[in-house]
Amino acid sequence: SYVLTQPPSVSVAPGQTARITCGGNNIGIKRVHWYQQKPGQAPVLVVYDDSDRPSGIPERFSGSNSGNAATLTLSRVEAGDEADYYCQVWDSSSWVFGGGTKLTVL
Amino acid sequence: EVQLVESGGGLVQPGGSLRLSCSASGFTFSNYAMHWVRQAPGKGQKYVSGMRSNGGSTSYADSVKDRFTISRDNSKNTLYLQMSSLRAEDTAVYYCVKGSGYSNTWGPFDLWGQGTMVTVSS
Repeated sequence: SYVLTQPPSVSVAPGQTARITCGGNNIGIKRVHWYQQKPGQAPVLVVYDDSDRPSGIPERFSGSNSGNAATLTLSRVEAGDEADYYCQVWDSSSWVFGGGTKLTVL
Repeated sequence: EVQLVESGGGLVQPGGSLRLSCSASGFTFSNYAMHWVRQAPGKGQKYVSGMRSNGGSTSYADSVKDRFTISRDNSKNTLYLQMSSLRAEDTAVYYCVKGSGYSNTWGPFDLWGQGTMVTVSS
């Protein structure tokens, strides 16, 4: 089965840029989606199809995908961005999630 | 209001069965694929099962295949998950999730319920 690998944690200072990676075999040919989950809440879709944003998601959230890694980029990070982030792809007629990355805002 | 409300969770013994329900409102339920996703305590999201809008096609994670059955009643705007032969490792919060259709007919997921806790323990 397809495996998505994320770093367990990423730390960033307020106002800086955070990058969260999602590794997978030739993931560049797949469409990658990203979710944000804050403590005690259900996940929220923040990026879909590698780099598109659902309505209501700030432009500070962006994504890219190439080769064996996709990246979620959060610009001008705020304290409210502290959360777990998950990547997701569709593979072999099923959804696959990455293990999640905890973003800490220092 | 657009929302998904799960019910049916609880404590069940290993080997037992449980049926989860998800009531949808605020959108045309019959137009969208619907799914179940679970999250064990302190762990990440894991896909469980999904069903296309007309009920004609289903998807299951290998870990639940042959034990769980997904179904839907479009006339009642309700999604179900029948779980049997439950194991301790099935303990998790189970989320009902709506497929957006943004990327393909299955998703990604643009609406999540608040989840219902299933605990498998003797």
